[in-house]
Amino acid sequence: AQSVTQLDSQVPVFEEAPVELRCNYSSSVSVYLFWYVQYPNQGLQLLLKYLSGSTLVKGINGFEAEFNKSQTSFHLRKPSVHISDTAEYFCAVSDWAGNEKLTFGTGTRLTIIP
Amino acid sequence: DTGVSQNPRHKITKRGQNVTFRCDPISEHNRLYWYRQTLGQGPEFLTYFQNEAQLEKSRLLSDRFSAERPKGSFSTLEIQRTEQGDSAMYLCASRSPHLGGTGDTNTEAFFGQGTRLTVV
Repeated sequence: AQSVTQLDSQVPVFEEAPVELRCNYSSSVSVYLFWYVQYPNQGLQLLLKYLSGSTLVKGINGFEAEFNKSQTSFHLRKPSVHISDTAEYFCAVSDWAGNEKLTFGTGTRLTIIP
Repeated sequence: DTGVSQNPRHKITKRGQNVTFRCDPISEHNRLYWYRQTLGQGPEFLTYFQNEAQLEKSRLLSDRFSAERPKGSFSTLEIQRTEQGDSAMYLCASRSPHLGGTGDTNTEAFFGQGTRLTVV
C-alpha cells in the first residue's frame, strides 16, 4: 500500500516569487509519482510525472519537480508564479504493476498574492 | 475526441433517492477509474475497469454503490438510498497502457470534470 503526505494545506505566495510545494510518499514497492492541478469546479490536469530516468522532471506551465528516493520526496517548484497559478495541487503515486490506480495526498491550496 | 466526459455536472437529490452518473472515456482507452473527492481532501479510489471487467473495488464502495461498464466503453456509477455523507465530487478517469519508447508501461490518466453530488 502507498500513502502520500502533503504537509502544507495552504501556501500564500506573492506574484513573481518562487514557490515550493512539498510532497512525501511511503510505499513498500517502486512507484510512479505525479503532480496534478485542480482549478475550481474542474477535474484534475496532469502537471508532470516521474516514471524513471532523470530525477528532475519538467512539466507544463513552468513547473518542475525533483524525485529524491532517499528522502522519499517529490517536491514541486516554480521559480516565478503568476496569478493564474492559483489552484489546488495534488501529489499522487501509483504502483508499477497491477491496476495503476492513483493514491493522492490531501492537496495544497496555492494562493497568489498580487 | 474531446476528452473524458461526465454527466451530469451537478446533481442535487433528497436523502434516500437513487442517483446514476455517467462517464464517457476517451475512445481508445481500455482502463476506466472512478474516484470520490470530498471537500478539502484529495480524490480517493473507488473502482477500476479494464474493458468491461470490474477488476477492483475499494472498501469505500459500500453495497449501496454499483458501477458498470457493459460494453467496455462508457461507465455508470449508481448510488442507491443516498445519504448526506455521499455528498462529494465523483471523478472519472481513463487511460490506455502502452509500451513507450523507454519501455515504461505507465501512461497518463485523463480526468473528466466530475459530477458534484449534493444530498439534502
